[in-house]
Amino acid sequence: GAVVSQHPSWVICKSGTSVKIECRSLDFQATTMFWYRQFPKQSLMLMATSNEGSKATYEQGVEKDKFLINHASLTLSTLTVTSAHPEDSSFYICSASKLNTGELFFGEGSRLTVL
Amino acid sequence: AQSVAQPEDQVNVAEGNPLTVKCTYSVSGNPYLFWYVQYPNRGLQFLLKYITGDNLVKGSYGFEAEFNKSQTSFHLKKPSALVSDSALYFCAVRAVYGNNRLAFGKGNQVVVIP
Repeated sequence: GAVVSQHPSWVICKSGTSVKIECRSLDFQATTMFWYRQFPKQSLMLMATSNEGSKATYEQGVEKDKFLINHASLTLSTLTVTSAHPEDSSFYICSASKLNTGELFFGEGSRLTVL
Repeated sequence: AQSVAQPEDQVNVAEGNPLTVKCTYSVSGNPYLFWYVQYPNRGLQFLLKYITGDNLVKGSYGFEAEFNKSQTSFHLKKPSALVSDSALYFCAVRAVYGNNRLAFGKGNQVVVIP
């Protein structure tokens, strides 16, 4: 089956630093990738939609300068949390839409803790 | 815009008993419906989906769901729950014609009691 890999799974950083999270589709090409944020025991909140080779579309209330998204190839999208603060601590999940079929596959998530 | 309601916060069930997790949806036009399961600190695992065809959909780990268009529901069921089924369950919907954006319900915590 299709596999989406997220890296790192866990990251702890100091306040003010930037953190990059990668989302890779390992065995398929993804035209579109989605980034979600999940707070404890809550649902997934869509942050942005990224399409290969174009700028990401951010949901209302999500700061694009805070959460930089790059989708440079059909197999890789990155989310960079810039100047991270404790309130950015969360579980970030990506999903990838398979080229031609549109099926969605989810990554395992990345736990960010900002001290 | 599409939306999903999962009315219960937590579903408690004794091991071996039937498990039902409720989901109703709202979407313009026909829906694609999905159920996902999430274990602690993990991503979402796909359980099953309704695209077209039979209203009763069978999925992974013995789960099934029934699409009911008149009631706009897609309840998840399992005839005999296992302790290992304890997890967070999400229902999701997207419109057939549109982008791939999924609308998720708030999730239901399922607790299977030994």
